[in-house]
Amino acid sequence: AQTVTQSQPEMSVQEAETVTLSCTYDTSESDYYLFWYKQPPSRQMILVIRQEAYKQQNATENRFSVNFQKAAKSFSLKISDSQLGDAAMYFCAYRSASSGSARQLTFGSGTQLTVLP
Amino acid sequence: ETGVTQTPRHLVMGMTNKKSLKCEQHLGHNAMYWYKQSAKKPLELMFVYNFKEQTENNSVPSRFSPECPNSSHLFLHLHTLQPEDSALYLCASSQDWDISGFYNEQFFGPGTRLTVL
Repeated sequence: AQTVTQSQPEMSVQEAETVTLSCTYDTSESDYYLFWYKQPPSRQMILVIRQEAYKQQNATENRFSVNFQKAAKSFSLKISDSQLGDAAMYFCAYRSASSGSARQLTFGSGTQLTVLP
Repeated sequence: ETGVTQTPRHLVMGMTNKKSLKCEQHLGHNAMYWYKQSAKKPLELMFVYNFKEQTENNSVPSRFSPECPNSSHLFLHLHTLQPEDSALYLCASSQDWDISGFYNEQFFGPGTRLTVL
């Protein structure tokens, strides 16, 4: 079974600065997808960024980028030029690419990010 | 807004009550999910419905009973709950055609905050 670990329950960053959230995972599969979801205080979870395991290039979405290290099974999220609206709980998630279990997301326990003005 | 709505947003019930949570998606998706989110724990997948058929049940107690009358609506019927069932219940939907692509990105609703007294 896959597991996802987020070792930082809480993080804080100064507005306009850069912060990196850590995520590691454990799997025996070679093909899978990784995601970062954001859950603001309003509670609606939204997808921030995604990465296909077979792609070596790190995904980037505006101020959000990932550092995907497949051999180390590490998938960190970097937020540049942090804004007050980035304050939220961030979840790392894993999804297998094999049939049957592909629809199941495995989540980490989350990192609460505070942005300081 | 993600196109997934949930009602009610808050629910307080006694252990002998019967209540239902409702989820509706306006995205034309064919897969729907119930998750349980407890404090300081990863999201737990409870049920998955694909084309109105339940495809996964992650060892959820029978006091939780899902119903999916069509691909746009999903219910979670609750009866004789325990205080430890208090949590945020999230609904999600996805287009479950192509397991190799991102078409089955999951979109989440805002959740129902359930308190069992």
